[in-house]
Amino acid sequence: AQKVTQAQTEISVVEKEDVTLDCVYETRDTTYYLFWYKQPPSGELVFLIRRNSFDEQNEISGRYSWNFQKSTSSFNFTITASQVVDSAVYFCALSEDGNYGQNFVFGPGTRLSVLP
Amino acid sequence: DAGITQSPRHKVTETGTPVTLRCHQTENHRYMYWYRQDPGHGLRLIHYSYGVKDTDKGEVSDGYSVSRSKTEDFLLTLESATSSQTSVYFCAIRPGQKTEAFFGQGTRLTVV
Repeated sequence: AQKVTQAQTEISVVEKEDVTLDCVYETRDTTYYLFWYKQPPSGELVFLIRRNSFDEQNEISGRYSWNFQKSTSSFNFTITASQVVDSAVYFCALSEDGNYGQNFVFGPGTRLSVLP
Repeated sequence: DAGITQSPRHKVTETGTPVTLRCHQTENHRYMYWYRQDPGHGLRLIHYSYGVKDTDKGEVSDGYSVSRSKTEDFLLTLESATSSQTSVYFCAIRPGQKTEAFFGQGTRLTVV
């Protein structure tokens, strides 16, 4: 069965510091999809990125970047020059191919606090 | 924003009463999900649907049932609410298996 681990329960940084959120996953499928979501204090879940298992290119979007390494089953998320507005809970998720698409599993989340 | 609405947004109910939460979408997406969110557990899948009248259990389905009689509506029923079901419930929709999910605003349910 698939599993997502986010070992960092809470992280606190000072504004403008860089921070990396770790995500380690387990799956027996060769085709799968990885996701990151953000949940700000207001409570909604905001989709950030999706990555396919067959595409190991790193992704950069503004201050956000993602490092996908199949060899270590990791999909880490880095925020460069963090801002107070980045304070949120961040979830990593995994979806396997097949089986009617029900396999959409989330990690426990990492709470990021960015202090001014 | 994805057209997904949850109702009610907040509810307080008594132990032993049945409760139904509604998820309504305007996107005509095939897949719909119900999750519960609790501190330290992230989002845990309760039930999901892959089509009208096609549903199956997730990781934490005990005490919950679902129905999907129309593409746009996915109902979650707590047959006899217990205090352990106090949680925030999220509905999600996906157009396909390879895509991201879009979430509703959540329903905060308190069982007293």
